Amino acid sequence: QQPVQSPQAVILREGEDAVINCSSSKALYSVHWYRQKHGEAPVFLMILLKGGEQKGHEKISASFNEKKQQSSLYLTASQLSYSGTYFCGTDSNTGNQFYFGTGTSLTVIP
Amino acid sequence: KAGVTQTPRYLIKTRGQQVTLSCSPISGHRSVSWYQQTPGQGLQFLFEYFSETQRNKGNFPGRFSGRQFSNSRSEMNVSTLELGDSALYLCASSKSAGGYNEQFFGPGTRLTVL
Repeated sequence: QQPVQSPQAVILREGEDAVINCSSSKALYSVHWYRQKHGEAPVFLMILLKGGEQKGHEKISASFNEKKQQSSLYLTASQLSYSGTYFCGTDSNTGNQFYFGTGTSLTVIP
Repeated sequence: KAGVTQTPRYLIKTRGQQVTLSCSPISGHRSVSWYQQTPGQGLQFLFEYFSETQRNKGNFPGRFSGRQFSNSRSEMNVSTLELGDSALYLCASSKSAGGYNEQFFGPGTRLTVL
């Protein structure tokens, strides 16, 4: 039931774009995205609710395809501060248990 | 507004002992969730409490338990500690239960079992 993220790791140069995918085997009500820097707690980025909406936060946006039970996080013109591990979190329609994905390590280099 | 606080920040215990971790949510938040984070397993859901009631429980043995008080503060207890319980334990608070609200994480308690 843990969502699967891809890729597991990615290295970017400043200014490049990246896409992180999150796929679940269960129908989803919502998808959260969090970023965790080394030695720190995860920090909320955005939440997408059932309805296929797309959200954005500065140069980070995300989409939610409920039919495919997938979400994608888009990082454009990456900055050094984007480095960290990105987790998706999903809330299924069976009991509302919340599961975090397997994580994607993103490193932005100068 | 003060963030989520967790105490203690670090703990060292030996196998067989028990431990209690504490979490104080953001003021006004009524839901508290607990997670175990390890390098191999990532973030694993332990349980969620809302209004002093356990709403959901993850796939962990009965040695892991928790409770929530009327002021929304929460504790989790691990009895008969095993080496594999060594992990970072994170709590997160949100305004209400379910997956529709963002979660705010505390700094975590690093538990080492020797």
